Amino acid sequence: DGGITQSPKYLFRKEGQNVTLSCEQNLNHDAMYWYRQDPGQGLRLIYYSHIVNDFQKGDIAEGYSVSREKKESFPLTVTSAQKNPTAFYLCASKTSLGPPNYGYTFGSGTRLTVV
Amino acid sequence: KNEVEQSPQNLTAQEGEFITINCSYSVGISALHWLQQHPGGGIVSLFMLSSGKKKHGRLIATINIQEKHSSLHITASHPRDSAVYICAVNLMNYGGSQGNLIFGKGTKLSVKP
Repeated sequence: DGGITQSPKYLFRKEGQNVTLSCEQNLNHDAMYWYRQDPGQGLRLIYYSHIVNDFQKGDIAEGYSVSREKKESFPLTVTSAQKNPTAFYLCASKTSLGPPNYGYTFGSGTRLTVV
Repeated sequence: KNEVEQSPQNLTAQEGEFITINCSYSVGISALHWLQQHPGGGIVSLFMLSSGKKKHGRLIATINIQEKHSSLHITASHPRDSAVYICAVNLMNYGGSQGNLIFGKGTKLSVKP
């Protein structure tokens, strides 16, 4: 079955360490997105990519980095520069075919805790 | 002020009740989405609307573009409907990030047996 795989589901890291969250899709979608969710807040956009080898900053990109070397993969690195990295991270994708508001597919998320 | 507002924030219902969750937005949009987030965190897309009304099983979503308002209704609610329901919009002409979503904070629904 096609879908998005995020791993791991839970991740613990020490303060000051970089950590990379995985997002893989087998839907042949062009666009991929990373969102952050904090308690009591809506999802906020970190980075997005509409084609391979290209990505753009979202609303809260500081302290994060991404790469898009393959269409199916969009890993997110949470760097030590991110002041408050403990959060739930969600990856999403959509096809570029059809209108811009065409349906999205979401991953199951990674809960990152920095201690 | 948030561009997407949902109400109520929390909702507790008895099994079988008719449920309504509301979403208001303050910007021009090209589409509105209703999403369901289960306790594990994964999100499922329920509806995408640009006008009118859509129905899927016991779920009904409506949108009034002039009033910038959408509602999600659940008929004959069941404990398995317990989840966070999130409203999200595609902004019209959202710069270069076409296709990106703006999310509401979600409505936490708990249906008691």
